[in-house]
This record gives sequence, structure tokens and C-alpha cells, in this order.
Amino acid sequence: AQRVTQPEKLLSVFKGAPVELKCNYSYSGSPELFWYVQYSRQRLQLLLRHISRESIKGFTADLNKGETSFHLKKPFAQEEDSAMYYCALSYTGGGNKLTFGTGTQLKVEL
Amino acid sequence: EPEVTQTPSHQVTQMGQEVILRCVPISNHLYFYWYRQILGQKVEFLVSFYNNEISEKSEIFDDQFSVERPDGSNFTLKIRSTKLEDSAMYFCASSYLQETQYFGPGTRLLVL
Repeated sequence: AQRVTQPEKLLSVFKGAPVELKCNYSYSGSPELFWYVQYSRQRLQLLLRHISRESIKGFTADLNKGETSFHLKKPFAQEEDSAMYYCALSYTGGGNKLTFGTGTQLKVEL
Repeated sequence: EPEVTQTPSHQVTQMGQEVILRCVPISNHLYFYWYRQILGQKVEFLVSFYNNEISEKSEIFDDQFSVERPDGSNFTLKIRSTKLEDSAMYFCASSYLQETQYFGPGTRLLVL
């Protein structure tokens, strides 16, 4: 069965510091990986997906199949990045269902 | 920009009562989903719906749950006889094809 692990419940960084939110997955096939973000009192929204290889709001994530990881990175954290970040996985034949990790709360301090 | 909407935002019900949670997906989307998040836990998939039928459901989605698209715009989740453990935030999502899912703001259900 597929699984997504986000080992950190809370990550606190100072403004301007680099950010790395960890995500590891287990799935034997070829998954599609996503990062969703939830700002305070707002809905879940897609931040990025691995197949599009985009950089959104300065965030990037590279799928590392060898390490089964999809860590989210940003070189310089901004105060507005404070939010809950969820890593999620879907796979072909899975009805497009998303399997989520438990989420990491990112707090950017001044 | 079009958004998924959900009503009500909050619902309080007594154990054993039926509840219907409503969602209006984005209008040209073809796939619809329900997820739930129990307080302090991860977001969990419940069911996906395409072409007027369930395409996949999780083990959580037992006989107490049902989904319906009664008209061209609404997508509903019915819980027939609520239990205390059904208390959660319920999210609706939709996608055009099997790709990016757009989420609604959620309905917080409290079963007393």
C-alpha cells in the first residue's frame, strides 16, 4: 500500500533562512507527487507537482526515486510562507485518489 | 477564478442522525472526490466519482456513506446514521481530468 511520511510536525525558521520540508513515500510503481499548502483559515491548494517541474513562490521539489523522497525547498523563507504543508501521492490505476502525509507546520519567524 | 464551494461550513448533529454535506464542484470538472480530516490526523481519501458512478472508495467509505450528483452542479455526501467518530472536517475536491484536484473550504461536522 502507498504511504507518505512527513517526519516533522513543526518546522520553525527565521526569515531569510533556507527551508526544507521533508517528504518520503513508499509505493512500488511510478507515483505522482504533490505539495499542497494550507494558509491560515484557507483551503488546501496545490503548490506544485513533480511532473510540471515548476517553481512556485520560490519553492522547488525534486523527485528522488532512489531515496523515495520529494522534499520541498526554498532558499530564503518569507513570513508569508508560514502555513501547513502537505505532501501527497497519487498513482495510475488508483482512481486519482490522493494519499496525504500528516503535514508539516512551517513557521517563519522575524 | 472558479472555486469549489461547500455548504454548510459547520454542522452539528446528534449521533444516529443523517447528514448531507453539499459541494458545488468547478463547473467543467469531471471527477469529484470526498476526503475527511479528523482533528489532529491526516487528510484521508473517502471516495472518487466519475461519470455518475463511484470509481474508487476507501475502507472508511462503508454502507453508512453514499454520494450523489443529483443535478448538473451539486455533489453530495450522505452519512446515514452518524457516529461520534464521524466528527471531522470533510473536504470536497474536483478535477477536470485525472490531474490537479481543487479543494473546497471544508465542512466541519461535529457529532454529539
